[in-house]
Amino acid sequence: ETAVFQTPNYHVTQVGNEVSFNCKQTLGHDTMYWYKQDSKKLLKIMFSYNNKQLIVNETVPRRFSPQSSDKAHLNLRIKSVEPEDSAVYLCASSSDWGNYAEQFFGPGTRLTVL
Amino acid sequence: GDSVTQTEGQVALSEEDFLTIHCNYSASGYPTLFWYVQYPGEGPQLLFRASRDKEKGSSRGFEATYDKGTTSFHLRKASVQESDSAVYYCALSLTGYQNFYFGKGTSLTVIP
Repeated sequence: ETAVFQTPNYHVTQVGNEVSFNCKQTLGHDTMYWYKQDSKKLLKIMFSYNNKQLIVNETVPRRFSPQSSDKAHLNLRIKSVEPEDSAVYLCASSSDWGNYAEQFFGPGTRLTVL
Repeated sequence: GDSVTQTEGQVALSEEDFLTIHCNYSASGYPTLFWYVQYPGEGPQLLFRASRDKEKGSSRGFEATYDKGTTSFHLRKASVQESDSAVYYCALSLTGYQNFYFGKGTSLTVIP
């Protein structure tokens, strides 16, 4: 099956803990992304990764960092979670960075910070 | 700056009603415009896209026409069904990785 896969589906943790979310795509794409979707369904891009080149949205706090072992994997680590990090984190991939490229999304990881 | 504006946050319709979700954009260049749909528990998926003035995108009975003059890409469907209940996002993309912007999303509820 070709798709974007994310684990875990849900994660509950306490303020100050470190968490890590996994993302794998089997579509053979060159570019991967992480988005944050808040409780009002607002989608904001956090990171883009292409050919070992990482592009960071300047508004993303430094406690967030993406980690990639190859072009099919892009994980997300949060070093010390804060309550405002509660959200759904969506991973996506596309065949290239061209402006016509469709993005394929995973089902998301819902993070709850107590 | 570059942005997408969806004016409707929530829409409630009865089955067979006509749907319009307004999308206006602001972009420094010539963007590609997208409509994505997100069903509960899933990630967004592409409905369709358009990249040229007057180009019409369509899928599953939904359609939108790229209008450079009014900077709009309004989503329409003549007769909605309960299965169309979802969140709809208008988005634009400009050349380059980070120039991808989503509107705030419109939650559509269709009552049978």
